[in-house]
Amino acid sequence: DAGVTQSPTHLIKTRGQQVTLRCSPKSGHDTVSWYQQALGQGPQFIFQYYEEEERQRGNFPDRFSGHQFPNYSSELNVNALWLGDSALYLCASSPEGQGVKEPNEQFFGPGTRLTVL
Amino acid sequence: RKEVEQDPGPFNVPEGATVAFNCTYSNSASQSFFWYRQDCRKEPKLLMSVYSSGNEDGRFTAQLNRASQYISLLIRDSKLSDSATYLCVVNTYNTDKLIFGTGTRLQVFP
Repeated sequence: DAGVTQSPTHLIKTRGQQVTLRCSPKSGHDTVSWYQQALGQGPQFIFQYYEEEERQRGNFPDRFSGHQFPNYSSELNVNALWLGDSALYLCASSPEGQGVKEPNEQFFGPGTRLTVL
Repeated sequence: RKEVEQDPGPFNVPEGATVAFNCTYSNSASQSFFWYRQDCRKEPKLLMSVYSSGNEDGRFTAQLNRASQYISLLIRDSKLSDSATYLCVVNTYNTDKLIFGTGTRLQVFP
C-alpha cells in the first residue's frame, strides 16, 4: 500500500519564479493538506483540499494556491517566489471524516525541499 | 504569542534515562492533541494521540491538562533510536488544521 508521495524531492528556484509541487495521497484518502516547514520550525498549515475545493486556509498570501484533481492528487503553486519561501513543503492526506467527527490521523509525505536563491 | 509552545531543547540524555517534554497551547477551543516524531530531514509521523485520561504506549506516556492547557510526553528507558524532534500538535474541533509547536529535539547518547 503506497503512502503519500510527493514530487519533486528537491527544487532550486530564483526569486520571482513560480513553482508547482505535486502530491498523491495515500490509497483510500480523499483529503489533502499542505504545510510549510521552515528550518528549525514546526510545519505551518497552508490549506486543505477536499472534493476538488479549498476547504480551509491558513495565514498564507494569495501567492500560494492549489488544486485537487478527481483522482484526489493535489498541486501546490507558489508565484513570485521570495527567499523566505525556502522550506520543506509537506503534503498530508487523510480520509474524509472531519466536521463533527473526531479528526482523522494525517499521514505525511516525505516533502519537497524548495530552495529560493 | 505562539498557539503551541515547546522548549526547543536540545535535550541530551544518556541511554536508559527518563525524559519529559512539555507543551502549552493558547486556544481553549482546542480539542484534539497529538505528539508527532520527526527524524532529521524526514516527514513527521504520529507518535501518539493524547487523551484527557492520559495514555501510555510502551515506554511513552502522554498527559493532558485541559485546565492548564498543558500537554506532556514522558519517555522512559531512552534508546538511541529515540533521538529525534518531538512535535506537540493540537487542532480544534470541526477543523483539519493541525497546529504544530516548533518541536523539542532529543539526543540520546550511549
